[in-house]
Amino acid sequence: EVQLVESGGGLVQPGGSLRLSCATSGFQFGNYWMHWVRQAPGKGPVWVSRISSSGTDTSYADSVKGRFTISRDNANSTLFLQMDNLGAEDTALYYCARDHGTGWYYFEDWGRGILVTVSS
Amino acid sequence: ETVLTQSPGTLSLSPGERATLFCRASQSVSSDFLAWYQQKPGQAPRLVMYGVSKRATGIPDRFSGSGSGTDFTLTVSQVEPEDFAMYFCQQYGVSPWTFGQGTRVEIK
Repeated sequence: EVQLVESGGGLVQPGGSLRLSCATSGFQFGNYWMHWVRQAPGKGPVWVSRISSSGTDTSYADSVKGRFTISRDNANSTLFLQMDNLGAEDTALYYCARDHGTGWYYFEDWGRGILVTVSS
Repeated sequence: ETVLTQSPGTLSLSPGERATLFCRASQSVSSDFLAWYQQKPGQAPRLVMYGVSKRATGIPDRFSGSGSGTDFTLTVSQVEPEDFAMYFCQQYGVSPWTFGQGTRVEIK
């Protein structure tokens, strides 16, 4: 059974940082591109970032470019999202998601999400 | 950016009724790269349909997808109690990959 479990969220002040983790199991992690998708309360999901299977290629939504960094540890089947200079607009439920393969950009499996709240 | 507009916002149905959900794109979705997801409170979203009409693993055949270009439909032929949820469409044909705002299918 495929499992994706996010952690590392919480309450942070504007301008602060958080590092999200996504522990995975049930599939060959190193064979898949991985993504972060976020969803603000009452809104539709928004794609945030993706990383290639090897971790050498990354891509970001314009809204987070230069502030967020996606990375992965294939040895431990874990995905990360380093979030810096956070603002209120970054408040959302953050999901880790598995690509259908390598660059399809639709999401075969999702975690349950982790809440990030940016507020003073 | 391709904006996806879903309608209706809420669909109130009784079990056994037919559910028809619409997703309209602001520009043509290339190569029919359109997916649908089901989301229930507190649960991980679940892929329902991809490539417009291909059912994801484990999705029952009462779910079907259709459409092309800018207009797409997800149909549930006879809604079961476990189908009451939020549904989102997503286009993955052109960056940025975008989602609709959702249709809630609720028990009447």
